[in-house]
Amino acid sequence: GENVEQHPSTLSVQEGDSAVIKCTYSDSASNYFPWYKQELGKGPQLIIDIRSNVGEKKDQRIAVTLNKTAKHFSLHITETQPEDSAVYFCAASNNNDMRFGAGTRLTVKP
Amino acid sequence: NAGVTQTPKFQVLKTGQSMTLQCAQDMNHNSMYWYRQDPGMGLRLIYYSASEGTTDKGEVPNGYNVSRLNKREFSLRLESAAPSQTSVYFCASSATGTVLFAFGSGTRLTVV
Repeated sequence: GENVEQHPSTLSVQEGDSAVIKCTYSDSASNYFPWYKQELGKGPQLIIDIRSNVGEKKDQRIAVTLNKTAKHFSLHITETQPEDSAVYFCAASNNNDMRFGAGTRLTVKP
Repeated sequence: NAGVTQTPKFQVLKTGQSMTLQCAQDMNHNSMYWYRQDPGMGLRLIYYSASEGTTDKGEVPNGYNVSRLNKREFSLRLESAAPSQTSVYFCASSATGTVLFAFGSGTRLTVV
């Protein structure tokens, strides 16, 4: 089955800096790659996603890139703000089989 | 719309006790899922139901049973709780043909 690895496990940045979280996956059949943000005491919420026929997607300060050949994808957050502090999960999916990374705890220091 | 609603939010069980975690969604989604979240391990799929009347095992099904009661509701049962089942449990749902998950807010279960 699919195996998703996520790095780093913790990330601390200064407000206004950029943050990058990287994931690799093992199953070349995976075709959908979402990113979730989980705030304390809440369930994960989808923040951005990318499909295998696209190399990059942007939504305001958030962007995701996908390299299918290397089987890795990354989340980029620019101009970070304290409210970006949360745990971020990547995932890779082939139809109904969704596998998650272990998560990255991002702390944005004011 | 409430989205995905889980009850209870917190529960403490003694080893060997049983309990049922409830999940309901009001988005008319066909697929529903139960995940557990443990530190450093992300979310792992316990069971899922692709449609009303069907259930399938995920990555970590041992010690659990599920019931897809109707299209809205999907429950997770622990028949004899063990300390290894201490975790945060999340229910999720998605529309057929998509993996755009909506998650509930979680149930924090402690087994002592």
